[in-house]
Amino acid sequence: EADIYQTPRYLVIGTGKKITLECSQTMGHDKMYWYQQDPGMELHLIHYSYGVNSTEKGDLSSESTVSRIRTEHFPLTLESARPSHTSQYLCASSESVLGGPQETQYFGPGTRLLVL
Amino acid sequence: SQQGEEDPQALSIQEGENATMNCSYKTSINNLQWYRQNSGRGLVHLILIRSNEREKHSGRLRVTLDTSKKSSSLLITASRAADTASYFCATAGLSGAGSYQLTFGKGTKLSVIP
Repeated sequence: EADIYQTPRYLVIGTGKKITLECSQTMGHDKMYWYQQDPGMELHLIHYSYGVNSTEKGDLSSESTVSRIRTEHFPLTLESARPSHTSQYLCASSESVLGGPQETQYFGPGTRLLVL
Repeated sequence: SQQGEEDPQALSIQEGENATMNCSYKTSINNLQWYRQNSGRGLVHLILIRSNEREKHSGRLRVTLDTSKKSSSLLITASRAADTASYFCATAGLSGAGSYQLTFGKGTKLSVIP
């Protein structure tokens, strides 16, 4: 099991609420990622970070925002949740290899979000 | 996009049989990885094969890579009920921003019947 944690595991919330999905890892990895995955579908990268104070948007446009103030912590925030945000959100981390490409990513268990 | 596409989308086999899943992609890659996802959980890394490798083994897993055809296959031998999961291939290559990223396919849903 990877040492990467996500809370909450399940969240049911009303439209318009602000939510923060937590992700933390204890492996000291410098790279962290957020993916969005609908049931039975592929993962879409929505945010990534290559280190503290570094965040980038991924391939899939998302209304969410992220921050990376500490190496181990990479929270995702939705200022105003909508039903279209209903999905599973997966956090991952990896160790940077100097001059190299992406190596193994370690995933958290995911947060299933339902916006009513 | 260098998105991987798995084939078949779903596969159902008897315990003890072999399971083969295929992945095709569109652009050049540095490596290709296979991940497993149990229902409602995160992904677990299974195996990584680099672009200069053709075959790799790990326990009951065998992965092949054909860069000329831009395809890979994952073979699980002597399947067990516990192998029931979705299997994703992910390609690692340069993104438009000039950094390496993983791009995941849609996955193959494997059901192993006891």
